[in-house]
Amino acid sequence: QSVLTQPPSASGTPGQRVTISCSGSSSSIGSNTVNWYQHLPGTAPKLVIYGNDQRPSGVPDRFSGSKSGTSASLAISGLQSEDEADYYCAAWDDSLNGALFGGGTKLTVL
Amino acid sequence: EVYFLESGGGSVQPGGSLRLSCAASASTFRGYALSWVRQAPGEGLEWVSGIGGSGSTINYADSVKGRFTISRDTLTNTVYLQMNRLRAEDTATYYCARGRSSMADRPDFDYWGQGTLVTVSS
Repeated sequence: QSVLTQPPSASGTPGQRVTISCSGSSSSIGSNTVNWYQHLPGTAPKLVIYGNDQRPSGVPDRFSGSKSGTSASLAISGLQSEDEADYYCAAWDDSLNGALFGGGTKLTVL
Repeated sequence: EVYFLESGGGSVQPGGSLRLSCAASASTFRGYALSWVRQAPGEGLEWVSGIGGSGSTINYADSVKGRFTISRDTLTNTVYLQMNRLRAEDTATYYCARGRSSMADRPDFDYWGQGTLVTVSS
């Protein structure tokens, strides 16, 4: 079964840098670009990284993305309280011919 | 102006049907790939279905293949999700979302609707 695996939780203090990983397979991350979403309960998800490492307009440069092989990472530097949210990676899977979301990582700002 | 307005959610018994609609502004809709993404209570995001900018490419998650149908109407700038043979596990908030290009195989959704709740229960 094709999946994208994320750690269920992550945390950091204000000002710190945190990273969230996303592990896939050769048919998903290994063959396609990775996107990252920030999701607050009761609101629509927000795209924060697309195309592995591109930031949409309006997303602070504190957010950055990278990809290597079948894994990807989202890094948030200068952590702020408003960054507390659920974060999801997403990529197309050529074997499934469909999109996959990771299970989500709950980021807590201590 | 950019907007997505979803409608059609509600409660239905197992085996029943619902049709979700997502009306968009012309600038938001034309030429862009559109998808439906859902979130079950207490769970993560799940991609359900997507349609390319021209409407010629359509894909479904295995969990809904054969039961759900996505379509788009360029006259009304609306994307639909016809959901048949609904199951309890289809209970979720359903979001429509726009891809950044016409390509249906890129889950890079830059605009989202507010979500509509579908509850399947007897």
